Amino acid sequence: GDSVTQMEGPVTLSEEAFLTINCTYTATGYPSLFWYVQYPGEGLQLLLKATKADDKGSNKGFEATYRKETTSFHLEKGSVQVSDSAVYFCALRRSNDYKLSFGAGTTVTVRA
Amino acid sequence: SAVISQKPSRDICQRGTSLTIQCQVDSQVTMMFWYRQQPGQSLTLIATANQGSEATYESGFVIDKFPISRPNLTFSTLTVSNMSPEDSSIYLCSVARDGSYEQYFGPGTRLTVT
Repeated sequence: GDSVTQMEGPVTLSEEAFLTINCTYTATGYPSLFWYVQYPGEGLQLLLKATKADDKGSNKGFEATYRKETTSFHLEKGSVQVSDSAVYFCALRRSNDYKLSFGAGTTVTVRA
Repeated sequence: SAVISQKPSRDICQRGTSLTIQCQVDSQVTMMFWYRQQPGQSLTLIATANQGSEATYESGFVIDKFPISRPNLTFSTLTVSNMSPEDSSIYLCSVARDGSYEQYFGPGTRLTVT
């Protein structure tokens, strides 16, 4: 079945550091890929998405590129801020299906 | 997008009791879903709430434990029945509109069972 594997945390960084969270997936066909973010005490928010190979999703300085050859969708940000402290979830959705499969989540803490 | 509210936002309950969680959307949506997020873990889909018919449950979840109602296109409830400490989780509802597979999540209900 479908599965998402993402880098285990927790990850602790200093402000302005570079952030990478690895995400790989297993799925048949051509799924859509997502990064969701969960800030402390809040629900999930969609951070960015990509729906086909080589698409790059971007939002709030975060980027991720859909790499079909490596079945990956790694999240990157060049200069993190304290406000980026959150749990980040990688997820996939099959075409023509509503169901989301989530990775385990990566907790990121950014220190001033 | 959609504005989604959940009630209660958190609760502490005794084992053996039941809790009903409400999910309200600001406009009509086709699809509503319920997820569970156990402590330190990822989200697991419990069921799809179908308007006018029985919910569709995922493997490992049963109606007797998690009865779901969806009386209209903007509202759904999830009941956690006969609770045990293992039911301590965050329960989230999400919605998607017809023609779009994008899901939007509510703020969640944090449940602690003692």
